Amino acid sequence: DADVTQTPRNRITKTGKRIMLECSQTKGHDRMYWYRQDPGLGLRLIYYSFDVKDINKGEISDGYSVSRQAQAKFSLSLESAIPNQTALYFCATSDSSGTAYNEQFFGPGTRLTVL
Amino acid sequence: AQSVTQLDSQVPVFEEAPVELRCNYSSSVSVYLFWYVQYPNQGLQLLLKYLSGSTLVKGINGFEAEFNKSQTSFHLRKPSVHISDTAEYFCAEPCAGNKLTFGGGTRVLVKP
Repeated sequence: DADVTQTPRNRITKTGKRIMLECSQTKGHDRMYWYRQDPGLGLRLIYYSFDVKDINKGEISDGYSVSRQAQAKFSLSLESAIPNQTALYFCATSDSSGTAYNEQFFGPGTRLTVL
Repeated sequence: AQSVTQLDSQVPVFEEAPVELRCNYSSSVSVYLFWYVQYPNQGLQLLLKYLSGSTLVKGINGFEAEFNKSQTSFHLRKPSVHISDTAEYFCAEPCAGNKLTFGGGTRVLVKP
């Protein structure tokens, strides 16, 4: 089984709808991240969480919110979806122990299309 | 703010030929750098990382990268590519809290 899973894998929705993307991990990591990927822009950080009680905005948080329901679960919500939120969304996890810069492990991604 | 620049958005290359993917970073303090690979329809996985020590870093699948402080570069190389190396490659720099700043990505298309 995959260590980092994302649901759904694909989603088509309409402008103005609320949508939630979910991420679960079995790696036991305390840190979790949400990124979006757009062609030519690489991945940009939306939100990140260092533990259940710690939520932080990333580079492009406007229009998004998150919830860390448990150490293993981190969900991303679009309160009112708009077409320029059409993108590939990735969840990632990392461990806080050891070196300062640990590898991040990525889920398979959710392709979101907003019509 | 730090930035990471990948100079080539696409690199077509023939099978068994060498490939070099260019990456430049902007940070002037202690530098740590990663290369990630994204195979079609998959998430990203770590290819290699530079944290300190030797400037030549070897990664998985025969890739290596060289950290060059004077040129602020961290170029990725492979002497002989395979069809299976077709993917998108991302250079990334971590900052406080292990957040990653990514370059725009380089798509490598290996042709038979």
